[in-house]
Amino acid sequence: EVRLVESGGGFVQPGGSLKLSCAASGFTFSNYAMSWVRQAPGKGLQWVSALSGTRDTVYYADSVKGRFTVSRDNSKNTLYLQMNSLRVEDTAVYYCATIEPSALGSFDQWGQGTLVTVSS
Amino acid sequence: IQLSQSPSFLSASVGDRVTITCRASQGISSYLAWYQQKPGKAPKLLIYAASTLQSGVPSRFSGSGSGTEFTLTISSLQPEDFATYYCQQLHGYPLTFGGGTKVEI
Repeated sequence: EVRLVESGGGFVQPGGSLKLSCAASGFTFSNYAMSWVRQAPGKGLQWVSALSGTRDTVYYADSVKGRFTVSRDNSKNTLYLQMNSLRVEDTAVYYCATIEPSALGSFDQWGQGTLVTVSS
Repeated sequence: IQLSQSPSFLSASVGDRVTITCRASQGISSYLAWYQQKPGKAPKLLIYAASTLQSGVPSRFSGSGSGTEFTLTISSLQPEDFATYYCQQLHGYPLTFGGGTKVEI
């Protein structure tokens, strides 16, 4: 059974940093590109970042470029999101998701999400 | 690529046929997915490649379209279908989602 478990969320002041983790199990993690998606309270879904399985291709939304860094440790089956210079508008539930190549890159498995609150 | 979903809110009854539209600001071929999200839960993939039903998804869900206009249809709305639905384009980065359609009783 595929399982994605996010952790690392919490309360942080503007300008602060936080590192999220997404622990994966039930599939060959290194074979899959992964993505982060966030959802501000009461709002829609916003794609944040994506990273290939081999770590050689990475993409970011303009709103986080230069502040967030996605990485992965395939030996630990874990995806990370380092978030620096956090802003109030980064407050959201952050989900990790698998990118399924056979489904034209759709996000077919999702974690339960971890809440990040940025406030003074 | 911007995605515009309509309507943003839909009131319907059990047994109704429901159609949600997603329009892309430029052609995306069939690189479109649909997700269902219930309150407090992660999104769930329903349809990919515009019209391919994800494994395990009931056949009352269907998708159609290509290029810039797409539709998600629920042929007979069931109580468990009351949720918010999002389209997503996968044609190019940055990936984008539509604004969502909330389906309520």
